[in-house]
Amino acid sequence: DTGVSQDPRHKITKRGQNVTFRCDPISEHNRLYWYRQTLGQGPEFLTYFQNEAQLEKSRLLSDRFSAERPKGSFSTLEIQRTEQGDSAMYLCASSQGLAGAFEQYFGPGTRLTVT
Amino acid sequence: AQKVTQAQTEISVVEKEDVTLDCVYETRDTTYYLFWYKQPPSGELVFLIRRNSFDEQNEISGRYSWNFQKSTSSFNFTITASQVVDSAVYFCALSEAGIWETSYDKVIFGPGTSLSVIP
Repeated sequence: DTGVSQDPRHKITKRGQNVTFRCDPISEHNRLYWYRQTLGQGPEFLTYFQNEAQLEKSRLLSDRFSAERPKGSFSTLEIQRTEQGDSAMYLCASSQGLAGAFEQYFGPGTRLTVT
Repeated sequence: AQKVTQAQTEISVVEKEDVTLDCVYETRDTTYYLFWYKQPPSGELVFLIRRNSFDEQNEISGRYSWNFQKSTSSFNFTITASQVVDSAVYFCALSEAGIWETSYDKVIFGPGTSLSVIP
């Protein structure tokens, strides 16, 4: 299977703990995106990488959130000092293209529950 | 600012009926892209279509068709002869795309329309 993969699929953590999620994009894709989706809502953009460069970060992303994409391959999203409001599905997507908007291919998501 | 509105929160139809999902968008750019994605109960978003702002031709793919009208800023999606497998949440999305290699293409999703097809 050469689709986007995310790990873990589910994470339950206690408030105040740190969590880290991993995303492996489709191998030839140079763009990688993180979104957050809460129940009954569409995905909300969090951040975006072109290769290893983080080109945009949403205002939704507080200082407790950080994302990396070393070597332009997989990416990690870390949430420090989790809060109950961080409970959501975290989606990763990837796309390929030099410019313009191309279809994004989504992974299955990581569902975070903060207790 | 970018905005996507999907006024229909939930729709229920009986199998084999036709159904249209509405999407209205707002943008100040002249170059942009519109998308439809499907999110079945399994949860993984599936890409359905991409349309750029310069191509107003309607598109048909099997039982799916899309009607893009710039004059009304709408990009509606019609499923003909609906089937139970069409039951899902459908998202309309908008991206204001740049022209340079390092341009970003942040995609703004609408709130989604939950479609239930009853056998």
